[in-house]
Amino acid sequence: ELKVEQNPLFLSMQEGKNYTIYCNYSTTSDRLYWYRQDPGKSLESLFVLLSNGAVKQEGRLMASLDTKARLSTLHITAAVHDLSATYFCAVNTGGFKTIFGAGTRPFVKA
Amino acid sequence: SQTIHQWPATLVQPVGSPLSLECTVEGTSNPNLYWYRQAAGRGLQLLFYSVGIGQISSEVPQNLSASRPQDRQFILSSKKLLLSDSGFYLCAWRGTSGGPSLYFGPGTRLTVT
Repeated sequence: ELKVEQNPLFLSMQEGKNYTIYCNYSTTSDRLYWYRQDPGKSLESLFVLLSNGAVKQEGRLMASLDTKARLSTLHITAAVHDLSATYFCAVNTGGFKTIFGAGTRPFVKA
Repeated sequence: SQTIHQWPATLVQPVGSPLSLECTVEGTSNPNLYWYRQAAGRGLQLLFYSVGIGQISSEVPQNLSASRPQDRQFILSSKKLLLSDSGFYLCAWRGTSGGPSLYFGPGTRLTVT
């Protein structure tokens, strides 16, 4: 059974700093997705990674895939307030199913 | 271009009542269709997927069912809702040819009281 693990589960972003979210998965897959979700909203597709070594970048976000390690990373460069959201990775099982990680949620320090 | 619609946007239903949520996709044919549920503050749970009319695969045993009466229509139903059915229901589609992306609809927020 395919398992997808994300960490950290919570992320407190400070403007100007860099962050990395990790996504590990348990079996081979033919594609990996990264999504963003704002509170109360649906999921917005960020990246689809299809092959080993794939790297995609959009603005301050960059995603990469290492299929041998079964690991993808989402790197946030010089965070800004607008990037505070929940980020999900999802992995295709090679058939029709796409399984999601638990998500990395914004954490606001009291 | 392709669009995906879900309705209703929000729904409040009493325990034991029936449920019908609808999802339709425009601008594509023969899509793979999916129902996911997201409990408050949680991740996405795959409920059902369909690769064609009348073809439904269930991922989680529960009191929900799905149907695909037309190529671009996907319906989620229940005969009797439970409190635990509350959540954000998301429909998604993926093309069987062309791009690999999985696209989500706007969602239906269901509260069972």
